Amino acid sequence: ETGVTQTPRHLVMGMTNKKSLKCEQHLGHNAMYWYKQSAKKPLELMFVYSLEERVENNSVPSRFSPECPNSSHLFLHLHTLQPEDSALYLCASSQGQGATDTQYFGPGTRLTVL
Amino acid sequence: GQNIDQPTEMTATEGAIVQINCTYQTSGFNGLFWYQQHAGEAPTFLSYNVLDGLEEKGRFSSFLSRSKGYSYLLLKELQMKDSASYLCAVMDSNYQLIWGAGTKLIIKP
Repeated sequence: ETGVTQTPRHLVMGMTNKKSLKCEQHLGHNAMYWYKQSAKKPLELMFVYSLEERVENNSVPSRFSPECPNSSHLFLHLHTLQPEDSALYLCASSQGQGATDTQYFGPGTRLTVL
Repeated sequence: GQNIDQPTEMTATEGAIVQINCTYQTSGFNGLFWYQQHAGEAPTFLSYNVLDGLEEKGRFSSFLSRSKGYSYLLLKELQMKDSASYLCAVMDSNYQLIWGAGTKLIIKP
């Protein structure tokens, strides 16, 4: 238990569906992250929020839309996804964004797009 | 471009020692992290190195050479529960983590 929870743990959706992934951190951290993890590939940073403001968006397709209503919650809204979007989506949080600010991860949502 | 290289898979025997290497080429350097990830679970933090040398933490040690762009994770007295993927990540000059693809470690009895 790392203090970061994600729901749902598994999600299967069609290409025309709309769904949302939820992340909650109980660590009092100020920064939150969305990563995509595909098999045998490095973690890909998708979005970074610091104090509820988006500070990084690594050229992610618009079919992924993040939302950070407060420092404890982070959402990833999904719509019109493609099969290649199937992956493990990991949420992480850290105290800040400095060199020694370790990121703590949630267990991830395993997404399958049919 | 930025690049982190680590072996895809390694096999070791229970009770033995294994060394997982990581080489990196990044825009700047603000430290190197090692994470452990069991299948279907969250990556968990193992170690952080920013200065050259060896950091020991129980059965696990991590080494860094900044001049060589090289690190390794050393696992001693291997246990079956050490079977996992080990992720190397470097924090670049923008304080963004650049990740390797991970090394899957298989422990055999």
